[in-house]
Amino acid sequence: EIVLTQSPGTLSLSPGERATLSCRAGRNINIFLAWYQQKPGQAPRLLIYDASSRATGIPDRFSGSGSGTDFTLTISRLEVEDFALYFCQQYGSLPTTFGQGTKLWIK
Amino acid sequence: QVQLVQSGAEVKKPGASMRVSCKASGYTFGSYYVHWLRQAPGQGLEWMGIINPSGDNTNYAQKFQGRVTMTRDTSTSTVYMELSSLKSDDTAVYYCARGMVRGVSMTNFDYWGQGTLVTVSS
Repeated sequence: EIVLTQSPGTLSLSPGERATLSCRAGRNINIFLAWYQQKPGQAPRLLIYDASSRATGIPDRFSGSGSGTDFTLTISRLEVEDFALYFCQQYGSLPTTFGQGTKLWIK
Repeated sequence: QVQLVQSGAEVKKPGASMRVSCKASGYTFGSYYVHWLRQAPGQGLEWMGIINPSGDNTNYAQKFQGRVTMTRDTSTSTVYMELSSLKSDDTAVYYCARGMVRGVSMTNFDYWGQGTLVTVSS
């Protein structure tokens, strides 16, 4: 199965700053990568699919890029509600797998 | 609107079985695959398997083969996940999730159930 490695594990930033989260796949997954946001006690929420397409209702401060093995989620200007856990998912190869997550903390 | 509503929390003893339900509404039940995933406390997400609600065919992660069974009831638009021979490390929140792309088995997940906490403890 394909291993996804997310970095950093934790990220401490202030509202208004830019966040850059990374997800690296163990082998080529083309663009079959999604990003999710999860808050405590809630189910994950789809943000980005196919590496760079925003899901319905997701603000345009969220953007995704990359292909092959290296992917990035960028949050252009952090708002208080953006401080949460983020993880990536690959669906280019069965079984689908997830990264361990990046926890975004308020500084 | 699309909704996946799961059954409530359960406490089970080691060796027992669990069954979680996931009732779908707001879309054509048979058109989208439904996946089951779990998240142990403080851990990441783990995919368990998939069911095609229209054809009842399934595909399970190797780790769970022999222990997991996924079924569906088209009359109530509900899918079920049963896990047997429970161990303490099966303690987790179990989620159902809809595959985003109609008729495609391996895709991302656009709608999720609220999660069901299953605690395995003697």
